Amino acid sequence: DAGVTQSPTHLIKTRGQQVTLRCSPKSGHDTVSWYQQALGQGPQFIFQYYEEEERQRGNFPDRFSGHQFPNYSSELNVNALLLGDSALYLCASSLRQGANGELFFGEGSRLTVL
Amino acid sequence: GQQVMQIPQYQHVQEGEDFTTYCNSSTTLSNIQWYKQRPGGHPVFLIQLVKSGEVKKQKRLTFQFGEAKKNSSLHITATQTTDVGTYFCPTGGGNKLTFGTGTQLKVEL
Repeated sequence: DAGVTQSPTHLIKTRGQQVTLRCSPKSGHDTVSWYQQALGQGPQFIFQYYEEEERQRGNFPDRFSGHQFPNYSSELNVNALLLGDSALYLCASSLRQGANGELFFGEGSRLTVL
Repeated sequence: GQQVMQIPQYQHVQEGEDFTTYCNSSTTLSNIQWYKQRPGGHPVFLIQLVKSGEVKKQKRLTFQFGEAKKNSSLHITATQTTDVGTYFCPTGGGNKLTFGTGTQLKVEL
């Protein structure tokens, strides 16, 4: 049973560019959330997708957008990259009607913006 | 979810010593979760506490939820090098968790 998989694992971009990160949730899960983790900080909630719609959003600008596909996989897009967008981007999957609220995190995509 | 204050921010212990980290909120929490993140790794769910005064154990780890549901603690007995990492106590629900900066634990031989 594959867990949460994310790609790419590492990438380097320059300011102003755009990036797309991908996530496949754990088998059987229908909800995907994205988190940004800066160095030395805890993960910060970006948004959550369920039934192909954004359901909740954290305090992130519109440059951050996402998508969920019919197979529950998800993408995170960031436009007009800033140096401050350098971080580990974590995807977390769960069941919408999960019993104990447990989130399963992927290994993350480490983005460096130069 | 409400962000809780977690202390200490860092803790160095000798292998075999005990370790405790505390999370405190100014408001009543509906639940609290605990996650562990190894260096270079991703957060891994440890447990969720929901009931007032709840105490749960996982081998050498003991989790408590305060009677007033405003604080929680994680106690590790006889630490091992495998306990190294950052421990977080996020709050919230519906998959939207609010994480603090966590407690970074280092275990020295």
